[in-house]
Amino acid sequence: AQTVTQSQPEMSVQEAETVTLSCTYDTSESNYYLFWYKQPPSRQMILVIRQEAYKQQNATENRFSVNFQKAAKSFSLKISDSQLGDTAMYFCAFILTSNTGKLIFGQGTTLQVKP
Amino acid sequence: GAGVSQSPSNKVTEKGKDVELRCDPISGHTALYWYRQSLGQGLEFLIYFQGNSAPDKSGLPSDRFSAERTGGSVSTLTIQRTQQEDSAVYLCASSLVQGAFGNTIYFGEGSWLTVV
Repeated sequence: AQTVTQSQPEMSVQEAETVTLSCTYDTSESNYYLFWYKQPPSRQMILVIRQEAYKQQNATENRFSVNFQKAAKSFSLKISDSQLGDTAMYFCAFILTSNTGKLIFGQGTTLQVKP
Repeated sequence: GAGVSQSPSNKVTEKGKDVELRCDPISGHTALYWYRQSLGQGLEFLIYFQGNSAPDKSGLPSDRFSAERTGGSVSTLTIQRTQQEDSAVYLCASSLVQGAFGNTIYFGEGSWLTVV
């Protein structure tokens, strides 16, 4: 079975500081893609960043970057220069190339950015 | 439309009643997905459509749940004989074609179902 584990239910960070959200996943397949989604209070899920599992280079998107460790099945998200608008629930997810219609999500981490 | 539209946004129903949740995907999107988000939980995959067909229904929790899509556009998720454990936010999403990687998946704001 494929699973995603986010071990930090809640986190907080001061504005302008850096925070890292952790994620581990489990699959026996070798070809997949990884994602971080953000869900603000409006409930609308927004894609933050994505990573191909076959790429060793970590993805970056402005203030967001990932640390992808394939052997450890770890995919953490680093948010630099945190802003108040980053306050949201963050979900780690992955999808197998063998079933690209099914995103598998973790339970989420609630991040609060404090002024 | 401009985004994925879901209705109703909130629904309170009595245990044992049937409910229908509607999803209008972004115009032209061929792939449509349903997820369920229970309080304090992550998103649970229910079903996805490519056009009008559903290649993967493995996430539907029981035979009380069904979904259809007509005309390659609007989808309806039906829950029969609702139970309290069905209370959750039901999220719909769509993408231009199937596959979360090459195509951005756009989510709606969800339908919040409460069964009393």
